[in-house]
Amino acid sequence: EPEVTQTPSHQVTQMGQEVILRCVPISNHLYFYWYRQILGQKVEFLVSFYNNEISEKSEIFDDQFSVERPDGSNFTLKIRSTKLEDSAMYFCASQAAGGPRETQYFGPGTRLLVL
Amino acid sequence: KNQVEQSPQSLIILEGKNCTLQCNYTVSPFSNLRWYKQDTGRGPVSLTIMTFSENTKSNGRYTATLDADTKQSSLHITASQLSDSASYICVVAYGQNFVFGPGTRLSVLP
Repeated sequence: EPEVTQTPSHQVTQMGQEVILRCVPISNHLYFYWYRQILGQKVEFLVSFYNNEISEKSEIFDDQFSVERPDGSNFTLKIRSTKLEDSAMYFCASQAAGGPRETQYFGPGTRLLVL
Repeated sequence: KNQVEQSPQSLIILEGKNCTLQCNYTVSPFSNLRWYKQDTGRGPVSLTIMTFSENTKSNGRYTATLDADTKQSSLHITASQLSDSASYICVVAYGQNFVFGPGTRLSVLP
């Protein structure tokens, strides 16, 4: 069964450093998402992406964050200058189409620790 | 403010028993409501998706209900199994934006 994959599974970085989290969505899916989940807290929506553009973004998704689909298969989340509070599990998800009944498939997550 | 609340925060039941989890939301405009199962340290897995016109949706032993007038939903789990131990998350969508509830932590004991 097709699945969303994410790399790396864990990342440790120093505060102020740039990190890039990578995701390979399910082939032929058109909608892509990033979420984060701080330890012990609820999942939070960051951004949705369609047709090489951001569709929606939350208040969390400020200028420190960016997303792109550089090669038609990978979908990346870049954090330019990490802060301690960026430590969280980051989930990528993909969806075949944009309809309200479309199932969203989540990847296993990347656990980011900022020291 | 768009919010999703869930109750109870946690629940312990014995294997084979049924349970019902609750979700209340204030998200507007409403697009759809989703229930997910999340095992610790894993990504959420979709259980059901309901739009405004749907009152009930089943997926095996999981049955979700939606009352769009009162902005309430429930997830009923029948004949619980040990593998049902997880967090169950209610998510309400508006457009391509998603508001997650805090989840209900379910523990099924033998």
